Amino acid sequence: GAGVSQSPSNKVTEKGKDVELRCDPISGHTALYWYRQSLGQGLEFLIYFQGNSAPDKSGLPSDRFSAERTGGSVSTLTIQRTQQEDSAVYLCASSLARHRQETQYFGPGTRLLVL
Amino acid sequence: AQTVTQSQPEMSVQEAETVTLSCTYDTSESDYYLFWYKQPPSRQMILVIRQEAYKQQNATENRFSVNFQKAAKSFSLKISDSQLGDAAMYFCAYEGAQKLVFGQGTRLTINP
Repeated sequence: GAGVSQSPSNKVTEKGKDVELRCDPISGHTALYWYRQSLGQGLEFLIYFQGNSAPDKSGLPSDRFSAERTGGSVSTLTIQRTQQEDSAVYLCASSLARHRQETQYFGPGTRLLVL
Repeated sequence: AQTVTQSQPEMSVQEAETVTLSCTYDTSESDYYLFWYKQPPSRQMILVIRQEAYKQQNATENRFSVNFQKAAKSFSLKISDSQLGDAAMYFCAYEGAQKLVFGQGTRLTINP
């Protein structure tokens, strides 16, 4: 079946503009995660959603970052008033449930460049 | 907080030979999972192998195997019979009670 998809693949924006990044998880996966990968770095956890529970936002770096998941499926990560340090690859992953036994399947990411 | 350290930013190996990627971690938890992920140029992270901390037997997946030393908090990945398609960034990751924590990655080059 289809894997995790993300759009856009690449995004160039000007400093101060807002951006929205989209993630379509694998159908039936109740857990969804957002990560940020800065150049030459590992992945940094941002936020995760599990079913209808309140999301774990503990990794969001500032209040300019927010995310929502509508209908338990598609998720949107929004970055307001973008800064140059927001430039990174944003990866989304989904799993059957929020449990270590469940494999996280990753999307191809969105590369964001803030000029 | 848990940390994961990959001390080799880059590694290279001749095609068909064996290479070992190192990973150490720091935790006070006793129950956790360890992972190796591969990230090719397409950027899509792919799970290579997983190890449950309570299992003493080292995990293997075809040409990929791990050397899990719980007391030393070490979790290395061995790739046997290296193939050109193995070229990628490899990330070691830890998951305990909280979220998945990744190391900085090792870039693996396969020389034909």
